[in-house]
Amino acid sequence: GAVVSQHPSRVICKSGTSVKIECRSLDFQATTMFWYRQFPKQSLMLMATSNEGSKATYEQGVEKDKFLINHASLTLSTLTVTSAHPEDSSFYICSARQGGNTGELFFGEGSRLTVL
Amino acid sequence: GNSVTQMEGPVTLSEEAFLTINCTYTATGYPSLFWYVQYPGEGLQLLLKATKADDKGSNKGFEATYRKETTSFHLEKGSVQVSDSAVYFCALSDETGGFKTIFGAGTRLFVKA
Repeated sequence: GAVVSQHPSRVICKSGTSVKIECRSLDFQATTMFWYRQFPKQSLMLMATSNEGSKATYEQGVEKDKFLINHASLTLSTLTVTSAHPEDSSFYICSARQGGNTGELFFGEGSRLTVL
Repeated sequence: GNSVTQMEGPVTLSEEAFLTINCTYTATGYPSLFWYVQYPGEGLQLLLKATKADDKGSNKGFEATYRKETTSFHLEKGSVQVSDSAVYFCALSDETGGFKTIFGAGTRLFVKA
């Protein structure tokens, strides 16, 4: 199946700094990517839909100035957690859809962020 | 809005036992339904799907039938293996939700040898 890769898989940063997570579709073009946040022992919470060449669409309650999303090409979306705080520590997962609105979702391996 | 409810875990079974993980959904449209699996240390991957009523999705011995009348998509396997230990997520996607995929809370399965 298609491959979606995230980087870094783990990152530890100090409070107040910004962290960028990359999501790449390695063998297909993705006009739409999705960013999820997963809390321990809980489900995936959709944060935003990343659209190539346009602004991301954020879910209710997600701060767009806090979680900056850029989808500059058909194979790369980035999530930047700005001025990170300990409560931002979480597992962030991206996914990309192959083949239109009803196509299969492929997930990255996830990125664990720890803010000290 | 759309939502997915699945049984809480963890579920602990002995090898070769029968597995059922219940999943029900609420959707304003006519959704596609999915089961995703997350093995330890790995990302989510699609296990099976069904796109219309009475469809049965199946893969790796797992199966689930799209029941519109009961708005359910229960996951079953006749004989589980230790290697099936993972977290299983029920999910849906439909046009009225902008084709965003909404996940249930996940059910952790432990299979003992």
